[in-house]
Amino acid sequence: SAVISQKPSRDICQRGTSLTIQCQVDSQVTMMFWYRQQPGQSLTLIATANQGSEATYESGFVIDKFPISRPNLTFSTLTVSNMSPEDSSIYLCSVEWRLAGVPGELFFGEGSRLTVL
Amino acid sequence: KQEVTQIPAALSVPEGENLVLNCSFTDSAIYNLQWFRQDPGKGLTSLLLIQSSQREQTSGRLNASLDKSSGRSTLYIAASQPGDSATYLCAVIRWGTDKLIFGTGTRLQVFP
Repeated sequence: SAVISQKPSRDICQRGTSLTIQCQVDSQVTMMFWYRQQPGQSLTLIATANQGSEATYESGFVIDKFPISRPNLTFSTLTVSNMSPEDSSIYLCSVEWRLAGVPGELFFGEGSRLTVL
Repeated sequence: KQEVTQIPAALSVPEGENLVLNCSFTDSAIYNLQWFRQDPGKGLTSLLLIQSSQREQTSGRLNASLDKSSGRSTLYIAASQPGDSATYLCAVIRWGTDKLIFGTGTRLQVFP
């Protein structure tokens, strides 16, 4: 398993500003994912972040709005840029525990609850 | 396109009941299926992972089954407790991808 720490756990931000969310894992992992959970909704994948390559974004999400860094195998950041109230969500970092090259169990951080005024 | 649906959307039961939560998916070509628990405002806790070659997994009072051919999974919770109150999510990884696709969730309340 993996222990995942996210910072900040919550924040209240003003419209037009940007916020960077950090994700720290206690072990080296190849696959890291960023999800968004809007109020009352299930989780939606924003992007996949692999160390040493550009993040891969899902349909509806773009790098200018959600830039991602993955400098090493234990750390990643997600920035929510030029925020609007529609960006108010829980943002979750996830890592995959892969066995023998086969997709395995995913573990999640506690999430970062973002409120944009 | 893979779609994952959970029934019921919400469930309220008295303590001690045995429960069945349902998850269905449209594309049976999956690597695995995973059940999670989410407490209000919190992240997700992994409960059980079932590989596509497996039929079921058990952990304590939880038992999850997988029928890939029919596109269904069930999570069985025995002797429910108020501490089981949470939202339960199922998710699948479709064959050929690394992406976890989530269901709509079942919000469970167990009252004393």
